[in-house]
Amino acid sequence: EAGVVQSPRYKIIEKKQPVAFWCNPISGHNTLYWYRQNLGQGPELLIRYENEEAVDDSQLPKDRFSAERLKGVDSTLKIQPAELGDSAVYLCASSPGGGSEKLFFGSGTQLSVL
Amino acid sequence: AQSVTQLDSQVPVFEEAPVELRCNYSSSVSVYLFWYVQYPNQGLQLLLKYLSGSTLVKGINGFEAEFNKSQTSFHLRKPSVHISDTAEYFCAVTLSGNTPLVFGKGTRLSVIA
Repeated sequence: EAGVVQSPRYKIIEKKQPVAFWCNPISGHNTLYWYRQNLGQGPELLIRYENEEAVDDSQLPKDRFSAERLKGVDSTLKIQPAELGDSAVYLCASSPGGGSEKLFFGSGTQLSVL
Repeated sequence: AQSVTQLDSQVPVFEEAPVELRCNYSSSVSVYLFWYVQYPNQGLQLLLKYLSGSTLVKGINGFEAEFNKSQTSFHLRKPSVHISDTAEYFCAVTLSGNTPLVFGKGTRLSVIA
């Protein structure tokens, strides 16, 4: 069974540029999460989807961040424009149900904003 | 809201020695507790979890953790570490039900040959 797939693996951009990350969850997993992991810190939730509905986006900086999960499968996280402080690893995770007991993580996208 | 404190940011230990990574949580209600491992340049992998039942939980790679409600702790242990255990370890908590994981800041375990 394929795991959670994220791309790209690494991204280097200049500040004020846009950037997008893509996530393909495990087949059949209705719940999808985007986490941000700053250097030396634990992951912090940005947004959670139940199918195509964003059920928790309270931690998403909506002035520059946006996310979508059309058709309730793949998801894209976008930053526009990127700032220096956005440098981090962006992790996608999925689970078969609404709870976090069976959470599977992708390898992440490491973003460097110069 | 629930929170997790990992008391040690770095733990160096010699190969084949025992190790304990400490985790304390804060919550006024019942919680689920987890330990995840993150190897360099990889995503997080579940080591073990406590949902209910026996307070001693055994996980992968020879790790175990004990849930202590009175001390609000969930420390991770391994009796004999290997070089390959060198990684970042994260403790996480969630409330029983439909809530997301809250992670600690992590403990970097370095195993020395």
